[in-house]
Amino acid sequence: EVQLVQSGAEVKKPGEFLKISCKGSGYTFSRHWIGWVRQMPGKGLEWMGIIYPGDSDTRYSPSFQGQVTISADKSISTAYLHWSTLKASDTAIYYCSKTTSDNYGDAFDVWGQGTMVTVSS
Amino acid sequence: QSVLTQPPSASGTPGQRVTISCFGSGSNIASNFVSWYQQFPGTAPKLLIYKNNERPSGVPDRFSGSKSGTSASLAISGLRSEDEADYYCAAWDDSLRGPVVFGGGTKLTVL
Repeated sequence: EVQLVQSGAEVKKPGEFLKISCKGSGYTFSRHWIGWVRQMPGKGLEWMGIIYPGDSDTRYSPSFQGQVTISADKSISTAYLHWSTLKASDTAIYYCSKTTSDNYGDAFDVWGQGTMVTVSS
Repeated sequence: QSVLTQPPSASGTPGQRVTISCFGSGSNIASNFVSWYQQFPGTAPKLLIYKNNERPSGVPDRFSGSKSGTSASLAISGLRSEDEADYYCAAWDDSLRGPVVFGGGTKLTVL
């Protein structure tokens, strides 16, 4: 079974560092783009960026460039989303997803269960 | 404000046909495939339509997609109560707004 399993919920304080993960299984992890999506409380879905684990080619949406870092370790089939300095406005659910194939432009067919991140003092 | 424009809400009665529109531009919908996602409260999105009008295995043929120029639409025929959910269109974007963009989402209510 093809799966993406994300790390568990996090509660952090403003200014702290955070790294969440997304582990793929059941497919060739290095050959499908992985995307990260933010959903703030009661709001819609927002693409943050994508990474191709095979060569770590990474593209960010303008709103998230410089705000987060996306990385991947293909040896352990895991992608990461990290913040160096969290803000209260980073409170949201974060989803990872994979493309249907290795083509740039494909849809995202499998999604992780989501990671709830709460940032509060 | 989302790059792709969807109506915030739509509604229909059981058995009806409902369509949800998605408007974009030359750098996204006109140049790339459109996909649609269904999301129930508290759950991850699910791929409903890909490559404009293809359905993944397991998605009922009551769901169909189409695209023309810079716009796309999702049609749901034989509406059922279990179709009540949020629906999002998405497309890759070749401009600096990319790489992938979503619509703002449409909340479908089954009356």
